[in-house]
Amino acid sequence: GAGVSQSPSNKVTEKGKDVELRCDPISGHTALYWYRQRLGQGLEFLIYFQGNSAPDKSGLPSDRFSAERTGESVSTLTIQRTQQEDSAVYLCASSPGLAGGQDTQYFGPGTRLTVL
Amino acid sequence: KNEVEQSPQNLTAQEGEFITINCSYSVGISALHWLQQHPGGGIVSLFMLSSGKKKHGRLIATINIQEKHSSLHITASHPRDSAVYICAVNRGSYQLIWGAGTKLIIKP
Repeated sequence: GAGVSQSPSNKVTEKGKDVELRCDPISGHTALYWYRQRLGQGLEFLIYFQGNSAPDKSGLPSDRFSAERTGESVSTLTIQRTQQEDSAVYLCASSPGLAGGQDTQYFGPGTRLTVL
Repeated sequence: KNEVEQSPQNLTAQEGEFITINCSYSVGISALHWLQQHPGGGIVSLFMLSSGKKKHGRLIATINIQEKHSSLHITASHPRDSAVYICAVNRGSYQLIWGAGTKLIIKP
């Protein structure tokens, strides 16, 4: 596909369950970002991957959140023991990774997570 | 005070009007981005600029580095331009500092 894809598009889960969100970046993009957007709010940075470098996890809100990326391809964001405050749209973006990541980001459609 | 400020917060205009959305920042930047988020949630990058002016179709983005200010203009606005427009800046790294967004509604 030409763009960033994310799955699932919607996820409803019960409090306390674990969820896994997937992001497929644009082929050849070495940089990958995860963001969270709560209803009516702006984007909140979660984590950044660049090639084989150690990821920047500084935005992860708690140790219940983790993310992995396989090489320069798919990434998964895992939320353990979900809480109601985790309800949000989780957005993934990728970029070519030029200029230290200061390049145009291409966003996926997001995964809307609802924790009941 | 936020490092990136957008104005206005909300803007409603009639179809055909010339639209201006402003972004001011208080930090040194290496690049500034304008993005569009449609009501359905999808985000599209419109422009990335570090100096001067860029144009794409009916959209024009300008930046004044000395004044730490950027504007996004929409000519001949159309209801499909209704969206949230977001300004964000790089400060020499990959991390973006985000503005709060401007919600634009174009009425037919």
